[in-house]
Amino acid sequence: SAVISQKPSRDICQRGTSLTIQCQVDSQVTMMFWYRQQPGQSLTLIATANQGSEATYESGFVIDKFPISRPNLTFSTLTVSNMSPEDSSIYLCSVVDSLSSGNTIYFGEGSWLTVV
Amino acid sequence: AQRVTQPEKLLSVFKGAPVELKCNYSYSGSPELFWYVQYSRQRLQLLLRHISRESIKGFTADLNKGETSFHLKKPFAQEEDSAMYYCALSGSSNLFFGTGTRLTVIP
Repeated sequence: SAVISQKPSRDICQRGTSLTIQCQVDSQVTMMFWYRQQPGQSLTLIATANQGSEATYESGFVIDKFPISRPNLTFSTLTVSNMSPEDSSIYLCSVVDSLSSGNTIYFGEGSWLTVV
Repeated sequence: AQRVTQPEKLLSVFKGAPVELKCNYSYSGSPELFWYVQYSRQRLQLLLRHISRESIKGFTADLNKGETSFHLKKPFAQEEDSAMYYCALSGSSNLFFGTGTRLTVIP
């Protein structure tokens, strides 16, 4: 299975600032996703990171707030812009491992952001 | 529309007792279903998927298309099974998650 590294693993951010989370995979993967897991909640898909083009956002998420880059098949970034306390959450990078049978999705360890 | 429902937020069982975590789904096509587990302070990881028909750590899950269910079962719970369990449905390569069930196995 793909090995996924995310950083930062944890950060405390000031209200109004922006933070970029990086996701590095040890192999080329067809699809990369960004999820959010708010405290006590389930995982919510933010967007699909598309290589070489704009990300595909789910309902309730917009590019201005969560700009995403994916310059190649092994790397993606998610920026949380103009943060407010409501953005305090775990942000998870995930990938589809194209070598596995079926669409199995693997997750990074997550980036735990606290906005103060 | 895709939907995954896990009716129990919390479930406690005694060690050695059987455990069943419920999952129901709605999806118009042919779904792929998964169970993911998150142990304390660890990343979310795949437990099992219905297409593999496998047993992992003693857990099994059978897809029941008639009842649109994919319940996770284990005949004898162990303390190390205490974790957060998420049922997930894949419709087109991305995953939709249920709200999760926190399982606590009481020694």
